[in-house]
Amino acid sequence: EPEVTQTPSHQVTQMGQEVILRCVPISNHLYFYWYRQILGQKVEFLVSFYNNEISEKSEIFDDQFSVERPDGSNFTLKIRSTKLEDSAMYFCASMADRASNYGYTFGSGTRLTVV
Amino acid sequence: EDQVTQSPEALRLQEGESSSLNCSYTVSGLRGLFWYRQDPGKGPEFLFTLYSAGEEKEKERLKATLTKKESFLHITAPKPEDSATYLCAVRTSGAGSYQLTFGKGTKLSVIP
Repeated sequence: EPEVTQTPSHQVTQMGQEVILRCVPISNHLYFYWYRQILGQKVEFLVSFYNNEISEKSEIFDDQFSVERPDGSNFTLKIRSTKLEDSAMYFCASMADRASNYGYTFGSGTRLTVV
Repeated sequence: EDQVTQSPEALRLQEGESSSLNCSYTVSGLRGLFWYRQDPGKGPEFLFTLYSAGEEKEKERLKATLTKKESFLHITAPKPEDSATYLCAVRTSGAGSYQLTFGKGTKLSVIP
């Protein structure tokens, strides 16, 4: 069964450092997303990406965040200067098309710990 | 602002003891209500999509139903492997990107 692959599964970084979280969406999917989940809290939308550009972003997704699809297969989330409050599980998701009845397919996540 | 509230926050059941999880929502034009299962340290796994009041979907021991204000996830004769957090999410009209708004989830524990 096709799946969304995220690497690394766990990343520890120093406050102020840049991190890049990587995702390989399902190959024929067109819509890509990043969500995050702080421990014990809701899954929260960060950003959506379609046709090589951001289509929507939340208030969380400020200038410290950026996304890229550099080579047609990978989809990355960069946090320029990490803060303690960026510690969370980050989930990548993809969807075939907007009419899909299956919502998103999520990856298993990257646990980011900022120390 | 779209809101999704799930109850109870946690539920402990004996194996075989049927029950229901609730998801109530306040949105400006529902374009789909989704149920996901999330195991510890994993991403949400898709279960069902419901679009209109009165709709029902079933999968093994799970059945999801939808009204104009809430959705229920019924679990019939649960087994320990059904233990997980069940998430409800909504997609609303006007969101161009298919953004989902999630509830906090119900953590289900099924005791053998």
